[in-house]
Amino acid sequence: QKEVEQNSGPLSVPEGAIASLNCTYSDRGSQSFFWYRQYSGKSPELIMFIYSNGDKEDGRFTAQLNKASQYVSLLIRDSQPSDSATYLCAVRGSFQGGSEKLVFGKGTKLTVNP
Amino acid sequence: GAGVSQSPRYKVAKRGQDVALRCDPISGHVSLFWYQQALGQGPEFLTYFQNEAQLDKSGLPSDRFFAERPEGSVSTLKIQRTQQEDSAVYLCASSPRTSLNEQFFGPGTRLTVL
Repeated sequence: QKEVEQNSGPLSVPEGAIASLNCTYSDRGSQSFFWYRQYSGKSPELIMFIYSNGDKEDGRFTAQLNKASQYVSLLIRDSQPSDSATYLCAVRGSFQGGSEKLVFGKGTKLTVNP
Repeated sequence: GAGVSQSPRYKVAKRGQDVALRCDPISGHVSLFWYQQALGQGPEFLTYFQNEAQLDKSGLPSDRFFAERPEGSVSTLKIQRTQQEDSAVYLCASSPRTSLNEQFFGPGTRLTVL
């Protein structure tokens, strides 16, 4: 089982709709969770991070974390064509020998249709 | 201020050649990470430095891969005797110690091994 799983999509939503991106992880000791956006041919760009159970909102983005279910999600409200990108879920695992590495999922490709 | 920079941006190598990829982290960032991203995949962790100390090299795929950060700033990832399976984008990320592992990525080096 891969450590971080995402539905690779593609996910297609109309402009103005809510896009819902999901991620599950296997390491129950994971401490922090990140959503990166990656445009084609570009490097990942951090858009949200969450450490505690519940919801965290930032503008049109809401991250949701449920540690009991080992599940993290990203909601994008009022989706815009400029949101079309691959969204990477990343998890920092339990502290092991001082490493702060992130474990990434494969990414979900989102297309927002005008 | 300036972000993470990487050079070269593109590198074509013949199979068996040695290559060296450079990363300049954000000034003052203590932690530096190298990731490998194959086409259609999420980034995979290679190695991590805290200042000049290499704290985790568990992701390096073979002993052909070597990374260093001798003065705790610039880092070099060296790949000896390149193979076709080494073709990927190599991403460098840096993080200030106090940011709870928010990592900022450079533009990457796209390596193609012929």
